[in-house]
Amino acid sequence: ETGVTQTPRHLVMGMTNKKSLKCEQHLGHNAMYWYKQSAKKPLELMFVYSLEERVENNSVPSRFSPECPNSSHLFLHLHTLQPEDSALYLCASSQDNYGYTFGSGTRLTVV
Amino acid sequence: GESVGLHLPTLSVQEGDNSIINCAYSNSASDYFIWYKQESGKGPQFIIDIRSNMDKRQGQRVTVLLNKTVKHLSLQIAATQPGDSAVYFCAETLKGIDGLTFGKGTHLIIQP
Repeated sequence: ETGVTQTPRHLVMGMTNKKSLKCEQHLGHNAMYWYKQSAKKPLELMFVYSLEERVENNSVPSRFSPECPNSSHLFLHLHTLQPEDSALYLCASSQDNYGYTFGSGTRLTVV
Repeated sequence: GESVGLHLPTLSVQEGDNSIINCAYSNSASDYFIWYKQESGKGPQFIIDIRSNMDKRQGQRVTVLLNKTVKHLSLQIAATQPGDSAVYFCAETLKGIDGLTFGKGTHLIIQP
């Protein structure tokens, strides 16, 4: 596979559930990102990992917990989410802040 | 606040015509700009990029123009096709800062 792949594509979860989103990049990039895309709003940067270290979290609520075990994999752990957290969650990677490539996203619905 | 914005939320053009999508940015320090296309149900797809040391860059059927004086970015699509229907975003970043800042997007509609 090439590019950035995200799983699952769709996820429906209750407010008391715990789930994780997965992202894998096959581009040899050294940075990975989580973005949130809500209806009628610009893409919002949530987390940045550069060389596997978190460098930005943009005041994201603690119910979102990222994990980057290596330069190719990124996870977003979710727990006790709210309905307003329903959105498209996009993963991206870059090499030294260039060549940004996005995955297809996970469409999350919190019920 | 939002540092990158688009002038029009929707742009409707006739198939075969040229399309121009505009973007204004407010951070004069930004040195790298990207245009993305996002189709329904998909993630943003890279179209073309430009660095601040250039004012024009051409790709296949697309041209990006950068006017640093007025902090304006535009995407020109030649001979628009039905497959060009999508939402187009501009994004900016600068050296030393991780992550892109996006505008709200322009929905390009192709009329037959």
